[in-house]
Amino acid sequence: ETGVTQTPRHLVMGMTNKKSLKCEQHLGHNAMYWYKQSAKKPLELMFVYNFKEQTENNSVPSRFSPECPNSSHLFLHLHTLQPEDSALYLCASSQVIGLRTDTQYFGPGTRLTVL
Amino acid sequence: AQTVTQSQPEMSVQEAETVTLSCTYDTSESNYYLFWYKQPPSRQMILVIRQEAYKQQNATENRFSVNFQKAAKSFSLKISDSQLGDTAMYFCAFMGRRSQGNLIFGKGTKLSVKP
Repeated sequence: ETGVTQTPRHLVMGMTNKKSLKCEQHLGHNAMYWYKQSAKKPLELMFVYNFKEQTENNSVPSRFSPECPNSSHLFLHLHTLQPEDSALYLCASSQVIGLRTDTQYFGPGTRLTVL
Repeated sequence: AQTVTQSQPEMSVQEAETVTLSCTYDTSESNYYLFWYKQPPSRQMILVIRQEAYKQQNATENRFSVNFQKAAKSFSLKISDSQLGDTAMYFCAFMGRRSQGNLIFGKGTKLSVKP
């Protein structure tokens, strides 16, 4: 395990449910990321937070709502999802150095299934 | 827009032999970073090796080395003395030096190491 943890590891939800994914990093980083990994597609960056401020929203539907209360924690709130949202959701973190971000370190992911 | 292409969806290699995974990318930037990440089956994505574009010397990490050809926009990964534990998906990724952590991934190469 790296210093990035994610809970839960597996989640099954109906389209009308509301759930949240949690990510925590123990690396002292100040940037955090959400990615979506679907079969046969490249990893897709969803959101970026630097020092708790959202700096990137990669045209993600509003049924995904991120929250970053501090530099160590990142949440992804889910509501009224669609079956095509089933995927592995990966969290990552990195250091921000000046105007550039450093290497990203990934968590184990949450395997989400939407019924 | 930057793109990353991995032209080999699957590869296999015999244990103890050498294998090379291909990656090409497209960018108009001159300063950037390139990465190879490894994702073992049902396990966490981990960084294998990183290359900074302004460095001419190819990066090396133990049995892993890269062949970085900046003019050709090519970034291949060589794995020497392949081990069973090297079986994984391998992702090539690009990040512009001034990007806000926007890491762009290829679709991946599934490597199987056979005993």
